[in-house]
Amino acid sequence: SQQGEEDPQALSIQEGENATMNCSYKTSINNLQWYRQNSGRGLVHLILIRSNEREKHSGRLRVTLDTSKKSSSLLITASRAADTASYFCATDISGTYKYIFGTGTRLKVLA
Amino acid sequence: DTAVSQTPKYLVTQMGNDKSIKCEQNLGHDTMYWYKQDSKKFLKIMFSYNNKELIINETVPNRFSPKSPDKAHLNLHINSLELGDSAVYFCASSQRTGNQPQHFGDGTRLSIL
Repeated sequence: SQQGEEDPQALSIQEGENATMNCSYKTSINNLQWYRQNSGRGLVHLILIRSNEREKHSGRLRVTLDTSKKSSSLLITASRAADTASYFCATDISGTYKYIFGTGTRLKVLA
Repeated sequence: DTAVSQTPKYLVTQMGNDKSIKCEQNLGHDTMYWYKQDSKKFLKIMFSYNNKELIINETVPNRFSPKSPDKAHLNLHINSLELGDSAVYFCASSQRTGNQPQHFGDGTRLSIL
């Protein structure tokens, strides 16, 4: 299967704590993207990191990319109840128009 | 204004029926996609069109037929619906050049009785 893997599958933390989720993939990529999906809604793009970048920040989000290990991590600092959602990584496969999504991490932030 | 809109939001129908889902984007993107998200939240690409040309067809049964009348619209027609077609179908769009992200609609929840 080309499906990317994310771990953990589910994560429950207290408001104010940091949340880290990981993504592993299988092929060469142009970039890797992280998306958030709130219940009953479509995916919303959070951050894109190119294959030649190692780290990227956007507000409370920090993404790292290790192409040698084919893995990425998303860190959400100082989490809020509104961060409760499912988070997906998506890899833009080199030489194709295809995006492969990970299996997702369900994050619950308790107030 | 909604960037990627799909209709209907909910679709409940009997097995064997034919149905269509419509998608429109007002972002000026050149590429559009259909994804299927199953009950375990796995999101899998079905089709992609770039400037009205089919560029991805991911071993989807022939009962599914996408149509792109112009680059702002991508519709999905499904013939002879089966129980296994029950899922949430998402439309998305992106600008293919320059490492651009995808923009998703809110999904169409298809339930087959």
